Amino acid sequence: DVKVTQSSRYLVKRTGEKVFLECVQDMDHENMFWYRQDPGLGLRLIYFSYDVKMKEKGDIPEGYSVSREKKERFSLILESASTNQTSMYLCASSSGTLHHGYTFGSGTRLTVV
Amino acid sequence: GQQLNQSPQSMFIQEGEDVSMNCTSSSIFNTWLWYKQDPGEGPVLLIALYKAGELTSNGRLTAQFGITRKDSFLNISASIPSDVGIYFCALVRNYQLIWGAGTKLIIKP
Repeated sequence: DVKVTQSSRYLVKRTGEKVFLECVQDMDHENMFWYRQDPGLGLRLIYFSYDVKMKEKGDIPEGYSVSREKKERFSLILESASTNQTSMYLCASSSGTLHHGYTFGSGTRLTVV
Repeated sequence: GQQLNQSPQSMFIQEGEDVSMNCTSSSIFNTWLWYKQDPGEGPVLLIALYKAGELTSNGRLTAQFGITRKDSFLNISASIPSDVGIYFCALVRNYQLIWGAGTKLIIKP
């Protein structure tokens, strides 16, 4: 069964901390994505990557960075966490054709206090 | 930019009722996808539509790709408690998905 695995289901961090959210996929997918989801705001794209060491800004990249050193792993980094980054973070991956859309991880619910 | 409108935003229904939701876009696209997100989980693909007019079923779910290629609907028949969640439509554009805002389904006890 194909999988996207996010390293933590729940995280609580303090304001100003550097936070790493990890995502690993086992489908040899080229594309990987990070979204955040907040009530009433739907899915908002933070960053995405089409290949190793490639990254592209999504709609809301401010306050975030990403790293893709290996094809299967895509990390989201909050350089200095703030309370307005409290949210549900979803990682997804897809093949290049997008014929079957994205496969999502189970999400990480991050609370910044 | 591309507008993708999904309605309704939320639905309160009784168990056993049928449910209908739809999405419309301002442009023509070749693929419509419908996802469901259970509470506390990531979205999961329910149905993919690739041709105008296509009608596809997945159990009690039925989705159609509108003949104008600008709309799609999702129907759920005889709803049950495990149908609760958020349903998203999505379009493929430039190797990315464009998402609707979601329809939250709540089943009244």
